[in-house]
Amino acid sequence: DTGVSQDPRHKITKRGQNVTFRCDPISEHNRLYWYRQTLGQGPEFLTYFQNEAQLEKSRLLSDRFSAERPKGSFSTLEIQRTEQGDSAMYLCASTADYYEQYFGPGTRLTVT
Amino acid sequence: GENVEQHPSTLSVQEGDSAVIKCTYSDSASNYFPWYKQELGKRPQLIIDIRSNVGEKKDQRIAVTLNKTAKHFSLHITETQPEDSAVYFCAARTGGSYIPTFGRGTSLIVHP
Repeated sequence: DTGVSQDPRHKITKRGQNVTFRCDPISEHNRLYWYRQTLGQGPEFLTYFQNEAQLEKSRLLSDRFSAERPKGSFSTLEIQRTEQGDSAMYLCASTADYYEQYFGPGTRLTVT
Repeated sequence: GENVEQHPSTLSVQEGDSAVIKCTYSDSASNYFPWYKQELGKRPQLIIDIRSNVGEKKDQRIAVTLNKTAKHFSLHITETQPEDSAVYFCAARTGGSYIPTFGRGTSLIVHP
């Protein structure tokens, strides 16, 4: 499968724990995005990379969230001290140009 | 920032009918308007998009229209089929930005 992949697909964690998600974009896609999606809502932008540079973060992004893309290929999203409000689907998308974004299958996070 | 409103939130039609989903945007500088389809449990996928220099675009049974003056754009699906049942998201992106703003989604149900 040459599409965007994400790991894990599901994560259940207890409040206060740290979690890390991984996204592998389509090869040679230089832009990578992280979104959060809750039930009944569209994807909400979190942050985006061009190659290894993190160019923009949502003002809504708590300082408990951090993302990296160390070699301009895969990316990780870490949430520290998880809260119940962090429960959501976390989507990754990549693009090679200004237009179509290709989404991954998402990581569903449940914080108990 | 950009604000995208999408209506209706739920749309129920009989197989063979047409379906129309409407979105409005706030930023007159927006110049790219994609539509994504998300089937239950699957990733969002681009189905059609339109750029601000075009008023209408068609692809088989789906079409998108754009009214820049009124700042709204619509998705039209003709001869609906049960496999069209999904959540549809519109998005708008301002020129010079790589970050789309998504609407809240429309759940389309096509009854056989």
